[in-house]
Amino acid sequence: GAGVSQSPRYKVAKRGQDVALRCDPISGHVSLFWYQQALGQGPEFLTYFQNEAQLDKSGLPSDRFFAERPEGSVSTLKIQRTQQEDSAVYLCASSPRTGGFYEQYFGPGTRLTVT
Amino acid sequence: GQQLNQSPQSMFIQEGEDVSMNCTSSSIFNTWLWYKQDPGEGPVLLIALYKAGELTSNGRLTAQFGITRKDSFLNISASIPSDVGIYFCAGRSNTGNQFYFGTGTSLTVIP
Repeated sequence: GAGVSQSPRYKVAKRGQDVALRCDPISGHVSLFWYQQALGQGPEFLTYFQNEAQLDKSGLPSDRFFAERPEGSVSTLKIQRTQQEDSAVYLCASSPRTGGFYEQYFGPGTRLTVT
Repeated sequence: GQQLNQSPQSMFIQEGEDVSMNCTSSSIFNTWLWYKQDPGEGPVLLIALYKAGELTSNGRLTAQFGITRKDSFLNISASIPSDVGIYFCAGRSNTGNQFYFGTGTSLTVIP
């Protein structure tokens, strides 16, 4: 079956531009997570959705980062006024169960480069 | 945030050898996950562990949830070239919604 998909796979933005990254989770998965992965590091949690509700956004690094999942399926991570330190791979993961306790399945990621 | 120490940082082994890696945390975790990540791809789930002392296998891979609940181990038997990649552990406590990831073990298998 189809896994988690993300688009675009690569994004180059000039400093100060806004970007929007899309995640299509596995069909029927109620939980969705966004992670940021810096080069040579493990993923770091950004935010968590249960259906359309954003239950945890404690990992978002600044108010320039905004995520939504309006219909409980597709999610968008938006970064406003991008900075060079935002350059990273942004990973989306989904899980069939609630609460974030259980296994998560990752998409291929979007590599964002801010110049 | 939580710190997960994953070791070794890198391994170079001959094809056919067995591999062991581990992950330790400063806090008690209720769930441990092990992932493999290839360059340019997202992490792929290998094994999920939910109970202290649990030993779970997935083909040539075996992982254990440490009885202290502060560590986990991954073993790969009879390594093959396609085992090459970066292996990440991830742990979660009973508070909050996030998994904390280790810094990864880079595995190179020499044919």
